[in-house]
Amino acid sequence: DVKVTQSSRYLVKRTGEKVFLECVQDMDHENMFWYRQDPGLGLRLIYFSYDVKMKEKGDIPEGYSVSREKKERFSLILESASTNQTSMYLCASRTFDRGKSGELFFGEGSRLTVL
Amino acid sequence: AQSVTQPDIHITVSEGASLELRCNYSYGATPYLFWYVQSPGQGLQLLLKYFSGDTLVQGIKGFEAEFKRSQSSFNLRKPSVHWSDAAEYFCAVGTYSSYKLIFGSGTRLLVRP
Repeated sequence: DVKVTQSSRYLVKRTGEKVFLECVQDMDHENMFWYRQDPGLGLRLIYFSYDVKMKEKGDIPEGYSVSREKKERFSLILESASTNQTSMYLCASRTFDRGKSGELFFGEGSRLTVL
Repeated sequence: AQSVTQPDIHITVSEGASLELRCNYSYGATPYLFWYVQSPGQGLQLLLKYFSGDTLVQGIKGFEAEFKRSQSSFNLRKPSVHWSDAAEYFCAVGTYSSYKLIFGSGTRLLVRP
Protein backbone atom coordinates (compact mmCIF):
# COMPACT_ATOMS: atom_id res chain seq x y z
CA ASP A 1 0.00 0.00 0.00
CA VAL A 2 1.19 3.49 -0.79
CA LYS A 3 1.73 5.62 2.22
CA VAL A 4 2.20 9.29 3.05
CA THR A 5 2.90 9.81 6.72
CA GLN A 6 2.60 13.08 8.55
CA SER A 7 4.46 12.89 11.82
CA SER A 8 2.07 14.93 13.94
CA ARG A 9 -1.71 14.64 13.75
CA TYR A 10 -2.36 17.39 16.29
CA LEU A 11 -0.15 20.24 17.44
CA VAL A 12 -0.73 23.20 19.72
CA LYS A 13 1.82 26.00 19.55
CA ARG A 14 2.15 29.53 20.82
CA THR A 15 2.39 32.65 18.72
CA GLY A 16 5.96 33.28 17.62
CA GLU A 17 7.11 29.68 17.97
CA LYS A 18 8.90 27.92 15.14
CA VAL A 19 6.91 24.96 13.88
CA PHE A 20 8.05 21.98 11.82
CA LEU A 21 5.60 19.73 10.03
CA GLU A 22 7.16 16.58 8.65
CA CYS A 23 5.96 14.42 5.79
CA VAL A 24 7.42 11.14 4.56
CA GLN A 25 6.34 9.08 1.56
CA ASP A 26 7.39 5.54 0.74
CA MET A 27 6.45 5.50 -2.95
CA ASP A 28 9.63 7.00 -4.43
CA HIS A 29 7.57 9.90 -5.78
CA GLU A 30 9.35 12.87 -7.27
CA ASN A 31 6.71 15.49 -6.52
CA MET A 32 5.60 16.49 -3.05
CA PHE A 33 3.11 19.15 -1.95
CA TRP A 34 1.90 21.00 1.12
CA TYR A 35 -1.70 22.18 1.15
CA ARG A 36 -3.63 24.09 3.72
CA GLN A 37 -7.30 23.25 4.26
CA ASP A 38 -9.77 25.71 5.76
CA PRO A 39 -13.57 25.45 5.89
CA GLY A 40 -15.20 26.94 2.81
CA LEU A 41 -11.87 27.52 1.10
CA GLY A 42 -11.00 24.00 0.06
CA LEU A 43 -7.32 23.14 -0.32
CA ARG A 44 -4.85 25.86 -1.10
CA LEU A 45 -1.32 25.10 -2.23
CA ILE A 46 1.44 26.47 -0.02
CA TYR A 47 4.58 25.02 -1.61
CA PHE A 48 5.54 22.12 -3.77
CA SER A 49 8.73 20.33 -4.65
CA TYR A 50 9.19 18.64 -8.00
CA ASP A 51 12.45 16.97 -6.98
CA VAL A 52 15.05 16.82 -4.22
CA LYS A 53 16.26 20.29 -3.19
CA MET A 54 13.79 21.85 -5.64
CA LYS A 55 10.86 23.92 -4.46
CA GLU A 56 8.35 26.35 -5.84
CA LYS A 57 5.88 28.65 -4.22
CA GLY A 58 2.24 27.80 -4.44
CA ASP A 59 -0.65 30.17 -4.04
CA ILE A 60 -0.19 31.12 -0.37
CA PRO A 61 3.51 30.82 0.55
CA GLU A 62 3.71 33.85 2.85
CA GLY A 63 4.79 32.90 6.35
CA TYR A 64 5.98 29.44 5.31
CA SER A 65 9.13 27.80 4.05
CA VAL A 66 9.96 24.24 3.05
CA SER A 67 12.85 21.84 2.97
CA ARG A 68 13.45 18.76 0.82
CA GLU A 69 16.86 17.29 1.47
CA LYS A 70 15.84 13.70 0.71
CA LYS A 71 13.43 12.38 -1.86
CA GLU A 72 11.08 10.81 0.64
CA ARG A 73 10.82 13.72 3.07
CA PHE A 74 9.23 17.15 2.68
CA SER A 75 9.07 19.53 5.63
CA LEU A 76 6.92 22.59 6.11
CA ILE A 77 8.30 25.27 8.39
CA LEU A 78 6.48 28.11 10.08
CA GLU A 79 9.30 30.45 11.13
CA SER A 80 7.13 32.40 13.55
CA ALA A 81 3.68 30.93 13.99
CA SER A 82 0.69 33.25 14.03
CA THR A 83 -2.93 32.64 14.97
CA ASN A 84 -4.03 32.94 11.35
CA GLN A 85 -1.95 29.87 10.58
CA THR A 86 -4.28 27.73 12.68
CA SER A 87 -5.45 25.20 10.12
CA MET A 88 -5.32 21.66 8.80
CA TYR A 89 -2.16 20.96 6.80
CA LEU A 90 -2.13 18.20 4.22
CA CYS A 91 0.92 16.70 2.60
CA ALA A 92 0.67 14.89 -0.73
CA SER A 93 2.96 13.20 -3.21
CA ARG A 94 2.81 12.17 -6.85
CA THR A 95 4.90 10.42 -9.43
CA PHE A 96 6.65 12.66 -11.97
CA ASP A 97 4.82 11.08 -14.90
CA ARG A 98 1.89 13.43 -14.45
CA GLY A 99 0.49 12.93 -17.89
CA LYS A 100 -0.48 9.38 -17.07
CA SER A 101 -0.88 9.41 -13.35
CA GLY A 102 -1.51 12.90 -12.06
CA GLU A 103 -3.30 11.82 -8.92
CA LEU A 104 -2.06 12.93 -5.56
CA PHE A 105 -1.68 10.62 -2.59
CA PHE A 106 -2.45 12.35 0.68
CA GLY A 107 -1.40 11.98 4.28
CA GLU A 108 -3.98 12.11 7.04
CA GLY A 109 -3.27 15.71 7.87
CA SER A 110 -1.78 17.73 10.71
CA ARG A 111 -4.14 19.95 12.63
CA LEU A 112 -2.24 22.93 13.98
CA THR A 113 -3.62 25.30 16.57
CA VAL A 114 -1.68 28.49 17.30
CA LEU A 115 -2.62 30.21 20.56
CA ALA B 1 -6.26 31.20 -14.56
CA GLN B 2 -7.52 27.76 -13.67
CA SER B 3 -10.39 27.57 -11.24
CA VAL B 4 -12.80 24.99 -9.92
CA THR B 5 -16.28 25.74 -8.63
CA GLN B 6 -18.38 23.45 -6.48
CA PRO B 7 -21.60 25.43 -6.13
CA ASP B 8 -23.12 23.33 -3.35
CA ILE B 9 -21.57 23.73 0.09
CA HIS B 10 -23.85 21.14 1.69
CA ILE B 11 -26.11 18.47 0.25
CA THR B 12 -28.42 16.20 2.21
CA VAL B 13 -29.88 13.05 0.70
CA SER B 14 -31.75 10.09 2.08
CA GLU B 15 -30.05 6.72 2.20
CA GLY B 16 -30.82 4.84 -1.00
CA ALA B 17 -31.50 7.99 -2.99
CA SER B 18 -29.42 9.03 -5.98
CA LEU B 19 -26.72 11.66 -5.73
CA GLU B 20 -25.18 14.23 -8.03
CA LEU B 21 -22.44 16.62 -6.92
CA ARG B 22 -21.64 19.45 -9.27
CA CYS B 23 -18.24 20.62 -10.41
CA ASN B 24 -17.42 23.29 -12.98
CA TYR B 25 -13.94 24.25 -14.06
CA SER B 26 -12.34 27.05 -15.97
CA TYR B 27 -9.35 26.30 -18.13
CA GLY B 28 -8.45 26.83 -21.77
CA ALA B 29 -6.73 23.54 -22.48
CA THR B 30 -7.92 20.01 -21.93
CA PRO B 31 -7.94 19.46 -18.20
CA TYR B 32 -7.23 16.46 -16.08
CA LEU B 33 -10.12 16.10 -13.62
CA PHE B 34 -10.36 14.36 -10.29
CA TRP B 35 -12.80 13.69 -7.52
CA TYR B 36 -11.53 13.09 -4.01
CA VAL B 37 -13.38 12.15 -0.84
CA GLN B 38 -12.42 13.08 2.71
CA SER B 39 -13.92 11.30 5.71
CA PRO B 40 -13.84 13.18 9.02
CA GLY B 41 -10.34 13.47 10.42
CA GLN B 42 -8.77 11.80 7.42
CA GLY B 43 -6.77 12.74 4.37
CA LEU B 44 -8.17 12.74 0.86
CA GLN B 45 -8.79 9.56 -1.12
CA LEU B 46 -9.10 9.47 -4.88
CA LEU B 47 -12.53 8.37 -6.13
CA LEU B 48 -11.92 8.68 -9.87
CA LYS B 49 -10.04 10.61 -12.50
CA TYR B 50 -10.42 11.67 -16.12
CA PHE B 51 -7.48 12.16 -18.45
CA SER B 52 -8.85 11.43 -21.90
CA GLY B 53 -11.05 9.01 -23.83
CA ASP B 54 -14.44 7.89 -22.61
CA THR B 55 -16.13 10.82 -20.96
CA LEU B 56 -17.98 8.62 -18.46
CA VAL B 57 -15.56 7.51 -15.80
CA GLN B 58 -16.13 4.79 -13.22
CA GLY B 59 -14.55 5.01 -9.82
CA ILE B 60 -14.43 3.26 -6.50
CA LYS B 61 -17.36 2.78 -4.12
CA GLY B 62 -19.89 2.83 -6.97
CA PHE B 63 -19.24 6.43 -8.03
CA GLU B 64 -19.07 7.69 -11.59
CA ALA B 65 -18.49 11.07 -13.20
CA GLU B 66 -19.12 12.49 -16.64
CA PHE B 67 -16.88 15.00 -18.39
CA LYS B 68 -18.88 17.48 -20.47
CA ARG B 69 -16.54 19.76 -22.35
CA SER B 70 -19.33 21.99 -23.66
CA GLN B 71 -20.48 22.72 -20.13
CA SER B 72 -17.03 22.70 -18.51
CA SER B 73 -18.41 20.28 -15.99
CA PHE B 74 -17.37 17.06 -14.28
CA ASN B 75 -20.29 16.05 -12.06
CA LEU B 76 -20.06 13.14 -9.66
CA ARG B 77 -22.95 10.67 -9.42
CA LYS B 78 -24.01 7.65 -7.46
CA PRO B 79 -27.29 5.81 -8.07
CA SER B 80 -27.90 4.78 -4.45
CA VAL B 81 -26.23 6.48 -1.51
CA HIS B 82 -25.13 4.58 1.59
CA TRP B 83 -24.78 6.09 5.06
CA SER B 84 -21.02 5.52 4.83
CA ASP B 85 -20.85 7.97 1.91
CA ALA B 86 -21.30 10.89 4.29
CA ALA B 87 -18.09 12.87 3.84
CA GLU B 88 -16.69 15.90 2.09
CA TYR B 89 -16.08 15.70 -1.64
CA PHE B 90 -13.55 17.72 -3.57
CA CYS B 91 -13.26 18.25 -7.29
CA ALA B 92 -9.81 19.12 -8.66
CA VAL B 93 -8.35 20.11 -12.02
CA GLY B 94 -4.83 19.75 -13.34
CA THR B 95 -3.10 20.09 -16.66
CA TYR B 96 -0.17 18.45 -18.41
CA SER B 97 1.83 21.68 -18.31
CA SER B 98 1.54 22.28 -14.58
CA TYR B 99 2.54 20.43 -11.45
CA LYS B 100 -0.36 21.89 -9.55
CA LEU B 101 -3.83 20.58 -8.88
CA ILE B 102 -6.44 23.23 -8.18
CA PHE B 103 -9.16 22.17 -5.77
CA GLY B 104 -12.72 23.31 -5.38
CA SER B 105 -14.02 24.42 -2.00
CA GLY B 106 -15.72 21.10 -1.36
CA THR B 107 -19.25 19.78 -0.89
CA ARG B 108 -20.23 18.20 2.39
CA LEU B 109 -22.64 15.29 1.95
CA LEU B 110 -25.03 14.40 4.74
CA VAL B 111 -27.03 11.17 4.53
CA ARG B 112 -30.42 10.84 6.22
CA PRO B 113 -31.32 7.39 7.57
